[in-house]
Amino acid sequence: GQNIDQPTEMTATEGAIVQINCTYQTSGFNGLFWYQQHAGEAPTFLSYNVLDGLEEKGRFSSFLSRSKGYSYLLLKELQMKDSASYLCAAWSGNTPLVFGKGTRLSVIA
Amino acid sequence: KAGVTQTPRYLIKTRGQQVTLSCSPISGHRSVSWYQQTPGQGLQFLFEYFSETQRNKGNFPGRFSGRQFSNSRSEMNVSTLELGDSALYLCASSMTVNSPLHFGNGTRLTVT
Repeated sequence: GQNIDQPTEMTATEGAIVQINCTYQTSGFNGLFWYQQHAGEAPTFLSYNVLDGLEEKGRFSSFLSRSKGYSYLLLKELQMKDSASYLCAAWSGNTPLVFGKGTRLSVIA
Repeated sequence: KAGVTQTPRYLIKTRGQQVTLSCSPISGHRSVSWYQQTPGQGLQFLFEYFSETQRNKGNFPGRFSGRQFSNSRSEMNVSTLELGDSALYLCASSMTVNSPLHFGNGTRLTVT
Protein backbone atom coordinates (compact mmCIF):
# COMPACT_ATOMS: atom_id res chain seq x y z
CA GLY A 1 0.00 0.00 0.00
CA GLN A 2 0.91 3.65 -0.15
CA ASN A 3 0.85 6.00 2.81
CA ILE A 4 2.19 9.52 3.09
CA ASP A 5 2.05 11.56 6.27
CA GLN A 6 2.70 15.22 6.79
CA PRO A 7 1.49 17.67 9.44
CA THR A 8 -1.83 19.32 8.69
CA GLU A 9 -0.94 22.84 9.70
CA MET A 10 2.09 24.88 10.72
CA THR A 11 2.61 28.51 11.67
CA ALA A 12 5.89 30.39 11.46
CA THR A 13 7.10 33.97 11.71
CA GLU A 14 8.23 36.12 8.82
CA GLY A 15 12.01 35.91 8.42
CA ALA A 16 12.26 32.62 10.30
CA ILE A 17 13.09 29.08 9.08
CA VAL A 18 10.50 26.33 8.96
CA GLN A 19 10.87 22.61 8.28
CA ILE A 20 7.94 20.62 6.90
CA ASN A 21 8.33 16.89 7.40
CA CYS A 22 6.98 14.07 5.30
CA THR A 23 7.14 10.34 5.95
CA TYR A 24 6.17 7.80 3.35
CA GLN A 25 5.53 4.09 3.06
CA THR A 26 5.27 2.89 -0.51
CA SER A 27 5.66 -0.41 -2.30
CA GLY A 28 8.65 0.54 -4.41
CA PHE A 29 10.14 4.01 -4.39
CA ASN A 30 11.76 6.10 -7.10
CA GLY A 31 11.63 9.63 -5.81
CA LEU A 32 9.94 12.30 -3.71
CA PHE A 33 8.33 15.48 -5.00
CA TRP A 34 7.36 18.68 -3.21
CA TYR A 35 4.71 21.02 -4.56
CA GLN A 36 3.45 24.40 -3.36
CA GLN A 37 -0.21 25.34 -3.69
CA HIS A 38 -1.58 28.79 -2.91
CA ALA A 39 -5.26 28.99 -2.08
CA GLY A 40 -7.37 28.82 -5.22
CA GLU A 41 -4.41 28.09 -7.45
CA ALA A 42 -2.76 25.09 -9.07
CA PRO A 43 0.03 23.19 -7.33
CA THR A 44 3.45 24.21 -8.62
CA PHE A 45 6.55 22.03 -8.66
CA LEU A 46 9.22 22.85 -6.08
CA SER A 47 11.67 19.96 -5.94
CA TYR A 48 12.34 16.33 -6.76
CA ASN A 49 14.70 14.15 -4.70
CA VAL A 50 15.91 10.79 -5.91
CA LEU A 51 19.11 10.34 -3.94
CA ASP A 52 19.71 10.74 -0.22
CA GLY A 53 20.80 14.15 0.91
CA LEU A 54 19.94 17.81 0.75
CA GLU A 55 19.16 19.70 -2.43
CA GLU A 56 19.17 23.46 -2.18
CA LYS A 57 17.31 25.81 -4.49
CA GLY A 58 17.40 29.38 -3.29
CA ARG A 59 15.43 29.83 -0.08
CA PHE A 60 13.98 26.33 -0.40
CA SER A 61 15.82 23.08 0.29
CA SER A 62 14.57 19.50 0.26
CA PHE A 63 16.07 16.52 2.05
CA LEU A 64 15.56 12.81 1.49
CA SER A 65 16.48 9.71 3.48
CA ARG A 66 15.43 6.63 1.53
CA SER A 67 16.34 4.23 4.33
CA LYS A 68 14.10 6.09 6.78
CA GLY A 69 11.26 6.85 4.36
CA TYR A 70 11.59 10.49 5.32
CA SER A 71 11.83 13.83 3.62
CA TYR A 72 11.59 17.43 4.65
CA LEU A 73 11.18 20.78 2.95
CA LEU A 74 13.14 23.62 4.51
CA LEU A 75 12.04 27.18 3.89
CA LYS A 76 14.44 29.96 4.94
CA GLU A 77 13.90 33.71 5.36
CA LEU A 78 10.16 33.19 5.34
CA GLN A 79 8.05 35.71 3.50
CA MET A 80 4.32 36.34 3.74
CA LYS A 81 3.92 35.01 0.19
CA ASP A 82 5.17 31.61 1.41
CA SER A 83 1.80 31.11 3.11
CA ALA A 84 0.45 28.16 1.15
CA SER A 85 -0.11 24.43 1.29
CA TYR A 86 2.92 22.24 0.73
CA LEU A 87 2.30 18.83 -0.79
CA CYS A 88 4.63 15.89 -0.51
CA ALA A 89 4.29 13.19 -3.19
CA ALA A 90 6.02 9.85 -3.65
CA TRP A 91 6.65 8.20 -6.98
CA SER A 92 7.03 4.44 -7.26
CA GLY A 93 7.72 4.06 -10.94
CA ASN A 94 4.85 2.48 -12.78
CA THR A 95 2.20 3.67 -10.35
CA PRO A 96 0.88 7.23 -10.32
CA LEU A 97 2.18 9.93 -8.02
CA VAL A 98 0.70 9.57 -4.53
CA PHE A 99 0.18 12.80 -2.63
CA GLY A 100 0.03 13.51 1.06
CA LYS A 101 -2.88 15.64 2.26
CA GLY A 102 -0.68 18.71 2.41
CA THR A 103 0.64 20.99 5.12
CA ARG A 104 -0.98 24.41 5.35
CA LEU A 105 1.70 26.91 6.32
CA SER A 106 0.73 30.28 7.72
CA VAL A 107 3.43 32.94 7.88
CA ILE A 108 2.70 35.66 10.43
CA ALA A 109 4.32 39.03 10.98
CA LYS B 1 5.20 28.30 -23.48
CA ALA B 2 1.53 28.04 -22.55
CA GLY B 3 0.73 26.09 -19.40
CA VAL B 4 -1.86 23.41 -18.85
CA THR B 5 -5.30 24.73 -19.75
CA GLN B 6 -8.45 23.40 -18.17
CA THR B 7 -11.97 24.32 -19.18
CA PRO B 8 -14.33 25.30 -17.81
CA ARG B 9 -12.99 26.92 -14.63
CA TYR B 10 -16.28 26.63 -12.78
CA LEU B 11 -19.31 24.38 -13.18
CA ILE B 12 -22.53 24.04 -11.29
CA LYS B 13 -24.57 20.91 -11.95
CA THR B 14 -27.44 19.14 -10.27
CA ARG B 15 -27.52 15.58 -9.01
CA GLY B 16 -28.02 13.02 -11.71
CA GLN B 17 -26.54 15.13 -14.51
CA GLN B 18 -23.32 14.35 -16.28
CA VAL B 19 -20.32 16.58 -16.93
CA THR B 20 -17.30 16.65 -19.24
CA LEU B 21 -14.09 18.43 -18.27
CA SER B 22 -11.36 19.29 -20.74
CA CYS B 23 -7.60 19.57 -20.43
CA SER B 24 -5.00 20.79 -22.91
CA PRO B 25 -1.47 19.81 -21.82
CA ILE B 26 1.70 21.79 -22.32
CA SER B 27 2.87 21.48 -25.91
CA GLY B 28 5.09 18.42 -26.24
CA HIS B 29 3.81 16.73 -23.10
CA ARG B 30 2.39 13.30 -23.80
CA SER B 31 1.37 12.25 -20.31
CA VAL B 32 -1.82 13.59 -18.71
CA SER B 33 -3.06 12.80 -15.21
CA TRP B 34 -6.28 13.77 -13.48
CA TYR B 35 -6.73 14.33 -9.74
CA GLN B 36 -9.70 15.16 -7.55
CA GLN B 37 -8.95 17.57 -4.71
CA THR B 38 -11.21 17.99 -1.68
CA PRO B 39 -10.42 19.64 1.66
CA GLY B 40 -10.68 16.42 3.61
CA GLN B 41 -8.98 13.98 1.26
CA GLY B 42 -6.36 16.04 -0.49
CA LEU B 43 -5.33 15.05 -4.00
CA GLN B 44 -6.84 11.73 -5.07
CA PHE B 45 -5.62 10.12 -8.28
CA LEU B 46 -8.23 9.51 -11.00
CA PHE B 47 -6.50 8.55 -14.28
CA GLU B 48 -3.21 8.67 -16.10
CA TYR B 49 -2.89 8.65 -19.88
CA PHE B 50 0.12 8.37 -22.12
CA SER B 51 -0.11 8.39 -25.90
CA GLU B 52 -3.88 7.82 -25.82
CA THR B 53 -3.56 4.78 -23.54
CA GLN B 54 -4.78 4.68 -19.96
CA ARG B 55 -1.78 3.62 -17.89
CA ASN B 56 -3.36 3.77 -14.47
CA LYS B 57 -6.78 4.25 -12.93
CA GLY B 58 -7.55 5.31 -9.40
CA ASN B 59 -10.06 3.88 -6.98
CA PHE B 60 -13.12 5.72 -8.24
CA PRO B 61 -16.47 4.29 -9.38
CA GLY B 62 -17.19 3.56 -13.01
CA ARG B 63 -19.15 6.83 -13.26
CA PHE B 64 -15.75 8.47 -13.71
CA SER B 65 -14.20 7.95 -17.12
CA GLY B 66 -11.64 9.61 -19.28
CA ARG B 67 -9.80 9.55 -22.57
CA GLN B 68 -6.87 11.09 -24.35
CA PHE B 69 -6.80 12.19 -27.96
CA SER B 70 -4.02 11.94 -30.53
CA ASN B 71 -3.02 15.57 -29.86
CA SER B 72 -2.58 14.66 -26.15
CA ARG B 73 -5.63 16.68 -25.10
CA SER B 74 -7.69 14.85 -22.52
CA GLU B 75 -11.26 14.81 -21.25
CA MET B 76 -12.84 13.29 -18.21
CA ASN B 77 -16.50 12.56 -17.78
CA VAL B 78 -18.56 12.06 -14.67
CA SER B 79 -22.03 10.61 -15.12
CA THR B 80 -24.94 10.51 -12.68
CA LEU B 81 -23.44 13.22 -10.52
CA GLU B 82 -23.64 12.96 -6.75
CA LEU B 83 -23.26 15.67 -4.12
CA GLY B 84 -19.97 14.11 -3.06
CA ASP B 85 -18.49 14.74 -6.50
CA SER B 86 -18.21 18.43 -5.65
CA ALA B 87 -14.49 19.11 -5.79
CA LEU B 88 -11.64 20.74 -7.62
CA TYR B 89 -10.59 18.57 -10.57
CA LEU B 90 -6.98 19.06 -11.52
CA CYS B 91 -5.30 18.00 -14.70
CA ALA B 92 -1.52 17.72 -14.90
CA SER B 93 0.78 17.04 -17.81
CA SER B 94 4.36 15.87 -17.98
CA MET B 95 6.90 15.21 -20.70
CA THR B 96 7.13 11.53 -19.80
CA VAL B 97 5.61 9.39 -17.11
CA ASN B 98 8.46 9.98 -14.66
CA SER B 99 8.99 13.73 -14.99
CA PRO B 100 7.47 16.45 -12.77
CA LEU B 101 3.77 17.16 -13.16
CA HIS B 102 2.63 20.58 -14.30
CA PHE B 103 -0.86 21.34 -13.09
CA GLY B 104 -3.64 23.36 -14.63
CA ASN B 105 -5.74 25.73 -12.52
CA GLY B 106 -8.47 23.15 -12.25
CA THR B 107 -12.20 22.98 -12.76
CA ARG B 108 -14.25 23.62 -9.65
CA LEU B 109 -17.35 21.46 -9.84
CA THR B 110 -20.29 22.10 -7.55
CA VAL B 111 -23.11 19.57 -7.49
CA THR B 112 -26.37 20.74 -5.94
